[in-house]
Amino acid sequence: DIQMTQSPSSLSASVGDRVTITCQASQDISTYLNWYQQKPGKAPKLLIYDASNLETGVPSRFSGSGSGTDFTFTINSLQPEDFATYYCQQYGNLPYTFGQGTKLEIK
Amino acid sequence: EVQLVESGGGLVQPGRSLRLSCAASGFTFDHYAMHWVRQAPGKGLEWVSGISWNSGSIDYADSVKGRFTISRDNAKNSLYLQMSSLRAEDTALYYCAKDTLRDWGQGTLVTVSS
Repeated sequence: DIQMTQSPSSLSASVGDRVTITCQASQDISTYLNWYQQKPGKAPKLLIYDASNLETGVPSRFSGSGSGTDFTFTINSLQPEDFATYYCQQYGNLPYTFGQGTKLEIK
Repeated sequence: EVQLVESGGGLVQPGRSLRLSCAASGFTFDHYAMHWVRQAPGKGLEWVSGISWNSGSIDYADSVKGRFTISRDNAKNSLYLQMSSLRAEDTALYYCAKDTLRDWGQGTLVTVSS
């Protein structure tokens, strides 16, 4: 199975800040990577697919990059509604696997 | 618009069985693989099982292999998860998801407890 190592596990930031989350795959997954946002009591919401493609309707302050084993997710100019938990997920091979999650909290 | 609506969750005793359903609409169901993903209370996301468009390829997480069975009925635009020999650690919100997990339902809660 492909292991996804996501860091940090938690992050405190302020409105307007730029934050970055990383995800490392245990083997090459090309760009078969999604990034999700999840708020309490809600299903995960897809933000980025194929490592760097912004899902329709998602604000442009969200971005993703990377290929192979190393990936980065960035939020520019944090907004109050961005405080949530974020997950990476690979779909290069079954079983699909997720990172452990990053809880983004208000400083 | 893609819609995925799960049902069938509830409280069940350890060792018993439960069948989850997922009703799909808004897309051509028989063109896509489908999956079940779960989330235990306060925990992260875990892929459970997936099935190809024609049921020709099926896979399971090691944690449920031999106990859970995924199936689909393309005529009814529906996905199923038959869960047997349930354990306390199967307690979770179960989501169905489409293709590469781009679209998710709202989930159905399964609680395994005596």
